[in-house]
Formats: sequence, structure tokens, C-alpha cells
Amino acid sequence: QKEVEQDPGPLSVPEGAIVSLNCTYSNSAFQYFMWYRQYSRKGPELLMYTYSSGNKEDGRFTAQVDKSSKYISLFIRDSQPSDSATYLCAMSARGGADGLTFGKGTHLIIQP
Amino acid sequence: DAGVTQSPTHLIKTRGQQVTLRCSPKSGHDTVSWYQQALGQGPQFIFQYYEEEERQRGNFPDRFSGHQFPNYSSELNVNALLLGDSALYLCASSPPWGTEAFFGQGTRLTVV
Repeated sequence: QKEVEQDPGPLSVPEGAIVSLNCTYSNSAFQYFMWYRQYSRKGPELLMYTYSSGNKEDGRFTAQVDKSSKYISLFIRDSQPSDSATYLCAMSARGGADGLTFGKGTHLIIQP
Repeated sequence: DAGVTQSPTHLIKTRGQQVTLRCSPKSGHDTVSWYQQALGQGPQFIFQYYEEEERQRGNFPDRFSGHQFPNYSSELNVNALLLGDSALYLCASSPPWGTEAFFGQGTRLTVV
């Protein structure tokens, strides 16, 4: 079992839909959770950062962490074609003092 | 602010050769981490440098080595290149006491 599991997709939804992306993990020491967006052949761009359990909202993006279930989610409201990219979840135990453990990434396609 | 910059952007090397990749962190950041991203996979942590020392290392062989300079910039060296070393190599920087990691655009290495 990999430490972080993420459905690679592709996930295809119509423009304007709410998108739900998820990761599960096995290491209970993880406390810092991040979502990155990566366009083809580019470096990952940090979208959301959450510490421990709870919700965090930033514009059209909401990140949720449920440590009891070892499950994290990213919701995108009013999805746009420009949101089409690969979304990577990442996590660590000690924040900046740790290397990040990534999921495989979910390829998201927003159909105009 | 220039963000994290990496050079070169692309590189082609022959099996058995050695390669050096370079990274300049975001202004004010003192921690640099390196990742390897194979096609269709999430980034894999190679190692992290802080105060010119290797602070943490992922599951990579000794052929992978690095260095951090007093200005916080960093190099990744790979010796005895294998075909399987072909990947996107990503550098990420983090601020002092920070938890987020910001990535550069990567260096695409092709080993032939």
C-alpha cells in the first residue's frame, strides 16, 4: 500500500460544475496537507495549505482534512476550463522541515 | 519576486554521464528540497538542504548528491546516469519556520 493514494483519473466534468478531488493516506503522523495544481510540463503551483483537521476556503477552492479517516478533499466551485490540470495532494509530518509525500495526481478536464 | 528558478530547463545526457542541476530559492527562503517526477507520477522527495547541510533524504541512491551555498542556492548532482533517471527534476523552497513549499518550473532530464 502506498502512503498516499489518489485516483489518477482522468476526471471530466462540464464547466460550472463542482469538482471533488480526494486523497487517502496511511501515515497517522502527517499533520500538514497541501494541494498543488500542475499544468502540463510545468512545476506544481501551491493552491491550498491546511494544518491538522478542518476546512479552509480560498475563493472557489475549499480544502477539507479528516484526520480520523485519513482522508483529504479539495472542492472547486464554478469550475472553469482554465482549471483543467493535474491536481496533486501532498502531506508531511513536520511541515517545512520535512520532505513532502505526494499522491500520484488526478488529471482534471473541464469541458466548455 | 522571481520565485524559485531552475536551470537548465531541458537537458539531454548519455547513460553513464554525470549531470548538475541548479536552483535559486525564492527571496527570503532558506530551505531547498529536490524532487524527481517521472511521467504520470507524483513528485518523489530526493533530499532537503538547510544551513548548507543535508537535513533529510528520501529513498534515493548515493548517486544523487547535492549542495547548498551560503546564498541558499542549491545544486543537485547525479552520477552514472541510468535511463531510468529520465524525469522532471523539481526544486522547492520554504521560508524560515515555514511549512509551505514553493516549486520551480523544473529541469527536464532525458538520458539516452
